[in-house]
Amino acid sequence: DAGVIQSPRHEVTEMGQEVTLRCKPISGHNSLFWYRQTMMRGLELLIYFNNNVPIDDSGMPEDRFSAKMPNASFSTLKIQPSEPRDSAVYFCASSMTGDASPLHFGNGTRLTVT
Amino acid sequence: RKEVEQDPGPFNVPEGATVAFNCTYSNSASQSFFWYRQDCRKEPKLLMSVYSSGNEDGRFTAQLNRASQYISLLIRDSKLSDSATYLCVVTSYNNNDMRFGAGTRLTVKP
Repeated sequence: DAGVIQSPRHEVTEMGQEVTLRCKPISGHNSLFWYRQTMMRGLELLIYFNNNVPIDDSGMPEDRFSAKMPNASFSTLKIQPSEPRDSAVYFCASSMTGDASPLHFGNGTRLTVT
Repeated sequence: RKEVEQDPGPFNVPEGATVAFNCTYSNSASQSFFWYRQDCRKEPKLLMSVYSSGNEDGRFTAQLNRASQYISLLIRDSKLSDSATYLCVVTSYNNNDMRFGAGTRLTVKP
């Protein structure tokens, strides 16, 4: 049974470039979450979707960040233009909506913006 | 005040020791609670859910205190392989909006 799949695993880009991170949730899960993790700030919730609809994007740091979920099996997180302070590990996670349903995380994308 | 707070540690304990972590949360309407484990440069993975009556899984015991708004994790007979960061997670109704604590770093030494 495939888990949450993220790509790429590593991304190194120059400041000002567009970055697109991809996520395929576990089949049958109807909630999808994007998190960012840094040493300073820990694991921060950026946005989550329920049945492909964005529910809460209050964690998205700036307008440079955008996320989409065009269907139940795919989501993207885009940063345009990227900045060095965006360097972090970005995790996608999915779960079933409902009490006591845990999150399943992908391996993460390690982003470095130079 | 952060929504979910943990002592960052680090906790350095010898093998065989018992160690306990606490995690406090600010939203009294929180519904579900979990402990996750994260190894260095890896994704967080579910360790155990936390039930109202408390629950045990081998050497691990989780407890919830709604009145004081904290959850705890007790590890008995700690092993070298228990070395990791332990994250508590608190969720609102219907499992949306899962909030993570900053994590507590544990190192178990020979």
